[in-house]
Amino acid sequence: GAVVSQHPSWVICKSGTSVKIECRSLDFQATTMFWYRQFPKQSLMLMATSNEGSKATYEQGVEKDKFLINHASLTLSTLTVTSAHPEDSSFYICSARPPGQGVYEQYFGPGTRLTVT
Amino acid sequence: SQQGEEDPQALSIQEGENATMNCSYKTSINNLQWYRQNSGRGLVHLILIRSNEREKHSGRLRVTLDTSKKSSSLLITASRAADTASYFCATLDLGAGGTSYGKLTFGQGTILTVHP
Repeated sequence: GAVVSQHPSWVICKSGTSVKIECRSLDFQATTMFWYRQFPKQSLMLMATSNEGSKATYEQGVEKDKFLINHASLTLSTLTVTSAHPEDSSFYICSARPPGQGVYEQYFGPGTRLTVT
Repeated sequence: SQQGEEDPQALSIQEGENATMNCSYKTSINNLQWYRQNSGRGLVHLILIRSNEREKHSGRLRVTLDTSKKSSSLLITASRAADTASYFCATLDLGAGGTSYGKLTFGQGTILTVHP
C-alpha cells in the first residue's frame, strides 16, 4: 500500500531557531501533499497544500513566511518552521494523495512532534 | 470552511460491545471518510463513502451517510481492546476546484476506549 514517511519523528529546539520536517511518499509519486497541525486532544487543522513545482497554498491564518513549504520533487515536501516559538509546539502531520482521477484517499505520515523550549 | 462535528467526544465500552460514532457536517460534499489515529501517531484511512451511497461495510466497520441530514455514523461491531484510538470523520469538499481540491476537513474526533 501507499506509504508516507516523515522525518524526524520528534524534535526539540530552542526558541528562535528553525526546524525542517520532511515528508516523503515512498512508493508513489504525489503531485500534492498536505500539511496539518494537531494540538493535544484536538483535531487536525490543514495548514497548507503543497504542490510540486509551484508555490504552496496556505490556509487562512497560517503565516506563509513562518511556515515555509518546499515541494521540490514528486516524492518530497518539506515544512520549515522559522524562528520557532513555544506556541509552535505541536504535532505536525503530512499526507499525500496518489495521482489519478477519482483518487480521494490521502495517506498520512506518522507525524512529527515538535517541542520548542 | 466547514467543520465536522462528532459525538460523542469520548466513548468507553467493554470488549465485545458495539461502538457507534456520529459525525455531522455543514456543506455539500463529494465523499466522507473515516480515519483512525492511535495516540501520538499518524492517521490510518478506514473507509470512504461517496455522496451517492447510503451505507458501506468493511469487515467490522459499517458506515452510513445521510446527505439530507448532513450526517454520518461509524459503527464498530464486536469491539476489541486494539480498537482503542481516536476516530475522525473528514469531508472532501471539491467546491469550485482550485485550492479546495482534495482538501479534507476533519471533525473533532471521538476518543474510543475499549476495556478488555
